[in-house]
Amino acid sequence: DTAVSQTPKYLVTQMGNDKSIKCEQNLGHDTMYWYKQDSKKFLKIMFSYNNKELIINETVPNRFSPKSPDKAHLNLHINSLELGDSAVYFCASSLRYQGSLDEKLFFGSGTQLSVL
Amino acid sequence: KQEVTQIPAALSVPEGENLVLNCSFTDSAIYNLQWFRQDPGKGLTSLLLIQSSQREQTSGRLNASLDKSSGRSTLYIAASQPGDSATYLCAVPIKAAGNKLTFGGGTRVLVKP
Repeated sequence: DTAVSQTPKYLVTQMGNDKSIKCEQNLGHDTMYWYKQDSKKFLKIMFSYNNKELIINETVPNRFSPKSPDKAHLNLHINSLELGDSAVYFCASSLRYQGSLDEKLFFGSGTQLSVL
Repeated sequence: KQEVTQIPAALSVPEGENLVLNCSFTDSAIYNLQWFRQDPGKGLTSLLLIQSSQREQTSGRLNASLDKSSGRSTLYIAASQPGDSATYLCAVPIKAAGNKLTFGGGTRVLVKP
């Protein structure tokens, strides 16, 4: 059983399109995240949701809209895709909001988005 | 602003040699530090988590140390194997900034048989 699963694994699309990436965790965690890994492999947090409420938005353009229908799911919708959006997007979860002494982060396998 | 740096960016060693991976951070006010492994095309797997009050953590051939005062952590992998080839990333949450996790750029390791 995959703990954090995201779909699709690969996404190739044209500039200007709208696309969504889905994420689900079966760990019973309260907190979920979206991270972006750019071509230089730097991982940066985009959003964090705790019990369906947004707690971090790292100055991500408003073309990116996360949605959490319940605490086991955090989807990422991207409008009007741009070339610079090409990256690998990782979903992650933790038992509670990251920052307590022994919190571990569990990652999905990533979605490679290519905008042409 | 917390900055996390990993040097070297890449490392190649013969099988059996011990690996030493370095991580430095600028703000010592951290709750903990995590080391992750990333395989090509895969997500990240948490290897070790050191709490701020601890100086080291061990798991099998892996040992991670933490020196908050100097802003450094080191991951040691003993008797490296080809299966250890991957990218290793360190990450810290930052108390003052909503506890987001900040990652280093990673060290890409190749263990040659």
